[in-house]
Amino acid sequence: KNEVEQSPQNLTAQEGEFITINCSYSVGISALHWLQQHPGGGIVSLFMLSSGKKKHGRLIATINIQEKHSSLHITASHPRDSAVYICAVSVDSNYQLIWGAGTKLIIKP
Amino acid sequence: NAGVMQNPRHLVRRRGQEARLRCSPMKGHSHVYWYRQLPEEGLKFMVYLQKENIIDESGMPKERFSAEFPKEGPSILRIQQVVRGDSAAYFCASSPRTETQYFGPGTRLLVL
Repeated sequence: KNEVEQSPQNLTAQEGEFITINCSYSVGISALHWLQQHPGGGIVSLFMLSSGKKKHGRLIATINIQEKHSSLHITASHPRDSAVYICAVSVDSNYQLIWGAGTKLIIKP
Repeated sequence: NAGVMQNPRHLVRRRGQEARLRCSPMKGHSHVYWYRQLPEEGLKFMVYLQKENIIDESGMPKERFSAEFPKEGPSILRIQQVVRGDSAAYFCASSPRTETQYFGPGTRLLVL
C-alpha cells in the first residue's frame, strides 16, 4: 500500500461543477502539499497545510490530522482548471516529499 | 519576489553529450531540491543541497550525475554522457527551510 493515496485517479466534469479530490496518508506528517501540474508540465504549489483549512480564490484545501485525510475542492470549475493535482506530504523534519500518484482532472466546457 | 527560475526550459542533447540544468532559487532561499519526472511517472527526489553543501544525494544515479549549489550563482544539475533514458523533466524547488518547497517550471531534457 502506498503511503499517500489519492482518489479519484481520473475525474472528468462539466464546467461549473464542484470538484473534490481526496488524499489519504498513512504516516505521521509535518505538512501536506497540494500541487498542480499543467499539461505543459510546469508545477505550481497550491497549498501547504499542517492543520485546518486554506482558501485561495476558487480553491479550498482542508486537512484532518486525526483521520490522516485531506481534500482539495474547486468551486465553479473551469476548463482552465484541467490539470493533474498532486498531493505530497513531508514527514516530520524529513525534507523529502512523499508523493501521491496524482489526479488527472478534465473540465469540459 | 520572482519565483524559482530554471533554464533552459527545453534542452535537446545527443547521446554522449553533457547536459547542464540551472536553477535559481527564490530570493532568501538557501535550500534547493532537484526532482526528476520520467514520462508518465511521478516525481522522484534526486538531491538536496544547501549553499556549497550536498545534504542528501540518495536519489541521484551513482554515475554521470552531479549537482552543486555554489556560494554565488544558481544550482547546477549536470548530466555527463547523456543516454536516451535521461530524457525527462527535471524540476528544481527551493525553500527557506525544509518544508515549504516552491517549484520551478522545470527543464525538459530530450536525448536524441
